[in-house]
Amino acid sequence: DIQMTQSPSTLSASVGDRVTITCRASQSISSWLAWYQQKPGKAPKLLIYKASSLESGVPSRFSGSGSGTEFTLTISSLQPDDFATYYCQQYNSYFTFGPGTKVEIK
Amino acid sequence: QVQLVESGGGLVKPGGSLRLSCAASGFTFSDFYMTWIRQAPGKGLEWVSYISSTTGTIYYADSVQGRFTISRDNAKNSLYLQMNSLRAEDTAVYYCARWGRDTTGYFDYWGQGTLVTVSS
Repeated sequence: DIQMTQSPSTLSASVGDRVTITCRASQSISSWLAWYQQKPGKAPKLLIYKASSLESGVPSRFSGSGSGTEFTLTISSLQPDDFATYYCQQYNSYFTFGPGTKVEIK
Repeated sequence: QVQLVESGGGLVKPGGSLRLSCAASGFTFSDFYMTWIRQAPGKGLEWVSYISSTTGTIYYADSVQGRFTISRDNAKNSLYLQMNSLRAEDTAVYYCARWGRDTTGYFDYWGQGTLVTVSS
């Protein structure tokens, strides 16, 4: 089974900050990685697929990069609506989610 | 617009059964693979099962293999999850989600979820 890790587990940031979240896979997953945003009591929302493809309707301040085993999600200028938990998900072999990164207000 | 609406959750005793439903609208349901994903209270996301567009391919997570059965009725635009021999560790919000159009395995639309609580 492919295991996913994320760092940090919690991130404190201010509006306007550049934020980077890292996701690592236990083995190569090529570019088969997605990123989701989840707010309390809500379903996850797809942000990025195939490591770097921006889902339609998602603001361009979100970007993804990486391949193989290491990936990043970057928010170029954090907005009030972006405080949430972010999950990565591999779909190279079945499906595994990372444990999540909570982005909170500093 | 795409809508997925889950129903059927509730409180059930250990060893009991429950059937979840997911009503889809706003897209051609029969064209898309579908999946169930769950989230235990305060925890992360766990994939449960998926079914191909024509029911030819079905897979389950090891944690539910042999106890859960996924199915779909394309005529009714509905996805189902029959859950038997429920355990306390099955307590979670269950989401149905649609696979992306390229059928590679990311999930582009999710329902609001239905809570399943397994407790005596």
